[in-house]
Amino acid sequence: EVQLLESGGGLVQPGGSLRLSCAASGFAFTSYAMSWVRQAPGKGLEWVSTLSGSGGNTYYADSVKGRFTISRDNSKNTLYLQMKSLRAEDTALYYCAKEFGGYYEDWGQGTLVTVSS
Amino acid sequence: QSVLTQPPSVSGAPGQRVTISCTGSSSNIGAGYDVHWYRQLPGTAPKLLIYGNNNRPSGVPDRFSGSKSGTSASLAITGLQAEDEADYYCQSYDSSLSVSWVFGGGTKLTVL
Repeated sequence: EVQLLESGGGLVQPGGSLRLSCAASGFAFTSYAMSWVRQAPGKGLEWVSTLSGSGGNTYYADSVKGRFTISRDNSKNTLYLQMKSLRAEDTALYYCAKEFGGYYEDWGQGTLVTVSS
Repeated sequence: QSVLTQPPSVSGAPGQRVTISCTGSSSNIGAGYDVHWYRQLPGTAPKLLIYGNNNRPSGVPDRFSGSKSGTSASLAITGLQAEDEADYYCQSYDSSLSVSWVFGGGTKLTVL
């Protein structure tokens, strides 16, 4: 059974940093691209970033480019999202998702990031 | 403003058929990229409902079907049930300006 468990969310001040983690199990982690998708309170889904299975290719939404960095440790089956220069508009529930063929087969339960002073 | 446009809400009575539209453009759906659909029950993570325009993952009942034509796609739900009340999102890929995966704004389905 595929399991994706996000952690690392919390309350952070504007301009601050946070690192999210997603521990994966139940599938061949290195064989899949992984993504972060976020959902602001009461809003829809927004793609944030994607990383290829090998870790060699990264993609970012314009709204986070230059501020967020996606990475993975294939030895630990873990995906990360380093977030810097956080803004109020980054407040959201951040989901880790396993990608296949351009769609998201499996999702974690999310970790909440709140940017507020 | 989402790249893919969905109606904010749709409704139907139990047993009826409803459709949810997803309208894109020549840089996403119209460019030939597949459309995928997700269902999000209140307080839970999204779940894949339809992939590759009209394919159902294992476990998804055949009451759910997808279609795509031109720059639009649709999700149809037949035999509406109370537990179908949820938010539904379409998703595709957009090649304008930069690489990006895009979602519709979501549609709230209310079962009357």
